[in-house]
Amino acid sequence: DTAVSQTPKYLVTQMGNDKSIKCEQNLGHDTMYWYKQDSKKFLKIMFSYNNKELIINETVPNRFSPKSPDKAHLNLHINSLELGDSAVYFCASSQEPRTLYSPLHFGNGTRLTVT
Amino acid sequence: DAKTTQPPSMDCAEGRAANLPCNHSTISGNEYVYWYRQIHSQGPQYIIHGLKNNETNEMASLIITEDRKSSTLILPHATLRDTAVYYCIVRVTGNRDDKIIFGKGTRLHILP
Repeated sequence: DTAVSQTPKYLVTQMGNDKSIKCEQNLGHDTMYWYKQDSKKFLKIMFSYNNKELIINETVPNRFSPKSPDKAHLNLHINSLELGDSAVYFCASSQEPRTLYSPLHFGNGTRLTVT
Repeated sequence: DAKTTQPPSMDCAEGRAANLPCNHSTISGNEYVYWYRQIHSQGPQYIIHGLKNNETNEMASLIITEDRKSSTLILPHATLRDTAVYYCIVRVTGNRDDKIIFGKGTRLHILP
């Protein structure tokens, strides 16, 4: 009955490869997010989608491409992986803006290591 | 950038109340104060939020000063499981393009 689930939990890959991280939420939320947490533990927003529409697109290299096939899923595809992409990537969802005061619900993260 | 300032770390004895301060001196009238925590190797977890009144739920209490420039999160009886990084965030609720920005947070150590 996991609310926000991400796969895989760990991802180890070589520079230059292309990889995807999947996220699914079963909370019926309208908005989904991707956050990146680097080695210094700073948690930074990357993207948000509301009902499959891209809302927030932070200054992220265009090697990162989010895709939302439906409002319950938000996947993150990364092309030409670089060493600096190593981080923990968190997916989150919320009921906003349909419902006010809706907190973020986070998945448990995907630890990406690029070698 | 985060609009809040928190001490980088705090210690609290197990069973005592943990009081975590947050400064948000530039808060706007329509911005709420939210608290999240992140336990090691997990995603952040929502704790509580408030606008100007004090709030309490099963996890914690939130005390917001009358001028709203600062707040305190209170964990009434801290346990070892409360060891985590605690984030204080201010944001406008319901604005779909509002970025929820996490600062550096406070690393709370609960001491046995």
